[in-house]
Amino acid sequence: KNEVEQSPQNLTAQEGEFITINCSYSVGISALHWLQQHPGGGIVSLFMLSSGKKKHGRLIATINIQEKHSSLHITASHPRDSAVYICAVRKSSGDKLTFGTGTRLAVRP
Amino acid sequence: KAGVTQTPRYLIKTRGQQVTLSCSPISGHRSVSWYQQTPGQGLQFLFEYFSETQRNKGNFPGRFSGRQFSNSRSEMNVSTLELGDSALYLCASSPGTGTYNEQFFGPGTRLTVL
Repeated sequence: KNEVEQSPQNLTAQEGEFITINCSYSVGISALHWLQQHPGGGIVSLFMLSSGKKKHGRLIATINIQEKHSSLHITASHPRDSAVYICAVRKSSGDKLTFGTGTRLAVRP
Repeated sequence: KAGVTQTPRYLIKTRGQQVTLSCSPISGHRSVSWYQQTPGQGLQFLFEYFSETQRNKGNFPGRFSGRQFSNSRSEMNVSTLELGDSALYLCASSPGTGTYNEQFFGPGTRLTVL
């Protein structure tokens, strides 16, 4: 079993919908990252969090350390949000990142 | 500031050859990490360098090696290429090591082994 699990694997939404992507992990962590990868391969770091909630524009990330779970929410989704969203955890300070398998999101106009 | 750059962007090699990929981090960043991404295995950590020292290494065979220079630029080398080495190789830089250092990714080098 992977240490980091994401759901769903694939997601199709209509423009304007509220989207939630989930990430569960089975190990103790010091931080969790949400990454976005567009076709062509480039990866952008969206959030890094170790507790609570962060918001950037239409994106919100939350984490529940006790439940070992994080969610990425996209409000008022737009076709340009179409990408693969990847959750990654760092188990302890200085340790390597361990990645989930990603969620492929397609937002239709 | 310029972002992380990787060269070359695309590479085609044949089995048995070796390859060297280069990564130039964001100016001032001293940590460089390398990752392999394949459709089957997803993103996997290869190694991390900080101040010319390897700090962490993933579960890859010894054919995969790397180094970091005094200007923080890094190279990774794969010897005796196998078909399964075909992948997108990404590097990421950060100011330092530790939990709260955000990683900035380069565009990747897409390696095809024939």
